[in-house]
Amino acid sequence: QSALTQPPSASGSPGQSVTISCTGTSSDVGGYNYVSWYQQHPGKAPKLMIYEVRKRPSGVPDRFSGSKSGNTASLTVSGLQAEDEADYYCNSYAGSNNVVFGGGTKLTVL
Amino acid sequence: EVQLVESGGGLVQPGGSLRLSCAASGFSFSDYWMSWVRQAPGKGLEWVAKIKEDGSEKYYVDSVKGRFTISRDNAKNSLYLQMNSLRADDTAVYYCASEKWYYFDYWGQGTLVTVSS
Repeated sequence: QSALTQPPSASGSPGQSVTISCTGTSSDVGGYNYVSWYQQHPGKAPKLMIYEVRKRPSGVPDRFSGSKSGNTASLTVSGLQAEDEADYYCNSYAGSNNVVFGGGTKLTVL
Repeated sequence: EVQLVESGGGLVQPGGSLRLSCAASGFSFSDYWMSWVRQAPGKGLEWVAKIKEDGSEKYYVDSVKGRFTISRDNAKNSLYLQMNSLRADDTAVYYCASEKWYYFDYWGQGTLVTVSS
């Protein structure tokens, strides 16, 4: 049950696109299409942004998109806006009814 | 509107016990797996435990096995986490979350548990 690997930080200017990676193994990210992404603003609860690799819940802007290649999943935020500044966490099913989170990425909008 | 409201957090000495509760409303609680997820101060998220819709299956992260027990009361739309033999590294905000196919769609606001002498 090792944590997934995310870069500690990412940044971009308003209007730009930024991609956050999430690297696991063939036992989690690479083995299942059950990757999800969460946005967390300071002092707030996490919010589901992407599930099952690339699906967006109702109400999440289509500026947020997800993808996966091998053992690495990615979250892309296009057309960056000030309110996108937050921490982002990936999560993957890891078998035997366990899930594992990434360490989190702090996204800064310059 | 879906609401998950945690309670029961507080300051407890190492080795002590605490019981967290999560009151659910706005959705069919008995149709959902439910989980507890925690976040140590300044750290990332960690899944702690989950329980099947009818309570018949329970799963835990290795670090809490044998110490924590997850349970639910569908008649009261409530989720619980009994935490025994608490350690300093259990200090965290504990969130309850509804789970659907290994992702967490709704979260509570969290309750802080501090383990310290």
